[in-house]
Amino acid sequence: EIVLTQSPDTLSSSPGERASLFCRASHIVDSNYLAWYQHKPGQAPRLLIHGASSRATGIPDRFSGSGSGTDFTLTISRLEPEDFAVYYCQQYGTSPRTFGQGTKVE
Amino acid sequence: QVQLQESGPGLVKPSETLSLTCTVSGVSINSHSYYWGWIRHSPAKGLEWIGSIYYSGTSRVTISVDASKNQFSLSLSSVTAADTAVYYCAGVAGHGDHDYWGQGTLVTVSS
Repeated sequence: EIVLTQSPDTLSSSPGERASLFCRASHIVDSNYLAWYQHKPGQAPRLLIHGASSRATGIPDRFSGSGSGTDFTLTISRLEPEDFAVYYCQQYGTSPRTFGQGTKVE
Repeated sequence: QVQLQESGPGLVKPSETLSLTCTVSGVSINSHSYYWGWIRHSPAKGLEWIGSIYYSGTSRVTISVDASKNQFSLSLSSVTAADTAVYYCAGVAGHGDHDYWGQGTLVTVSS
C-alpha cells in the first residue's frame, strides 16, 4: 500500500495569501496518478487536480498542482474566503487507492 | 446527469455487519468507464478508501454488484466504534479527470 504523508497538518493563512500544500508518497505514484481534493463539512469532497497537474473542470486557475514521482504540491495562488477547508491528496495509480491524512487551511 | 445515492441503516451495533447500497443513475455501472467504490470520512482519520467493485481491500470488506438494479453494495463485518463515519459511494473516471459522489450517509456504531 502506498502511504501518502501531507504537510503541514494545519496551515494558518489569510485571504489573499499564497498557500502551498505538500504530499509525499512512500513509493512512486504510477503514471503520476495523483489527485487533490477539497473537503468542507457536510459536503462531498470536490476534485481539484488530477494527474498531478491538470485542473478538473470548473476549478479556478488559482489552484495549481505540480510534482512527479513521490513529491507533489498543491498551490493556491491567492486564498479566497471559500478556500478555507481541508485538502487531501489521493493516489489512484496503484490498488488500494489511498488518501493522505489531510491539510487544514484555516 | 449522473447521480449516486447511498442507502442503509444509520445505526449498527458493535460486532455486527454494516451494509450500505449505492444506487447509480445516468450511467451503467457495467460501462467500465468508472471506478466504482466506497470512501468514508471520520474526524479522526479523514478520508479513507474502503474498496471498489474491482478491489475489496481488507478481509472485513465485501463489495458486490447488482447490475440489474444498477447498484453496488458494501458489507463491512465485525464493526467497532472506529467504523463510525460518513460513508460515500463514488465513481471515478478512468484517468481520474472527473468523478461523481453520493451525498454521504452517517453510520454510527453503538449499542
